[in-house]
Amino acid sequence: DGGITQSPKYLFRKEGQNVTLSCEQNLNHDAMYWYRQDPGQGLRLIYYSQIVNDFQKGDIAEGYSVSREKKESFPLTVTSAQKNPTAFYLCASSLGLAIILNEQFFGPGTRLTVL
Amino acid sequence: AQSVAQPEDQVNVAEGNPLTVKCTYSVSGNPYLFWYVQYPNRGLQFLLKYITGDNLVKGSYGFEAEFNKSQTSFHLKKPSALVSDSALYFCAVRDDTDKLIFGTGTRLQVFP
Repeated sequence: DGGITQSPKYLFRKEGQNVTLSCEQNLNHDAMYWYRQDPGQGLRLIYYSQIVNDFQKGDIAEGYSVSREKKESFPLTVTSAQKNPTAFYLCASSLGLAIILNEQFFGPGTRLTVL
Repeated sequence: AQSVAQPEDQVNVAEGNPLTVKCTYSVSGNPYLFWYVQYPNRGLQFLLKYITGDNLVKGSYGFEAEFNKSQTSFHLKKPSALVSDSALYFCAVRDDTDKLIFGTGTRLQVFP
């Protein structure tokens, strides 16, 4: 999983609680991404960041928030506004945003279950 | 809008036999196509990509993919399957905003 760590591996939360998922990389990559994976739906982009202190919404940003205060860290908060938060969350990073030039490296994922 | 389709939810193949995992794409310009593999409860690993040039792209772990412009396909292939190849495979395409659009995934099961 190439220098990207996500913690915890499994996370359980009660409905209505905010929860923050950790993503750290030691690859010195500028770009970082958060994806959500649901069975039969592939991966969908939640947020991405090209550089420190900058981030952009992806296709399904509603109910999520992120921060990028440090180059190596890109935490994702799943808020109570997210209607269906139970999913497998994957963090990724790349040297830059240009897809054809920069391979994305993925972390091992966090499985979030909201009870 | 760019999209990819993986028409098979699951592909079953006997060890030693050739395998094919199908992917078709829809793009408005030049297609930039990717294959990733995901082992259980793990992140995705990059296998190969097509940007331009030779229609047969070679990648990691003995996998290759054939780009076919007339059929808008980018099928993943391997001449001889291993049990350890059993995993979830995703096809992806670059979209207009330079992000990846993933297919729904195909589960490959290789039987001994």
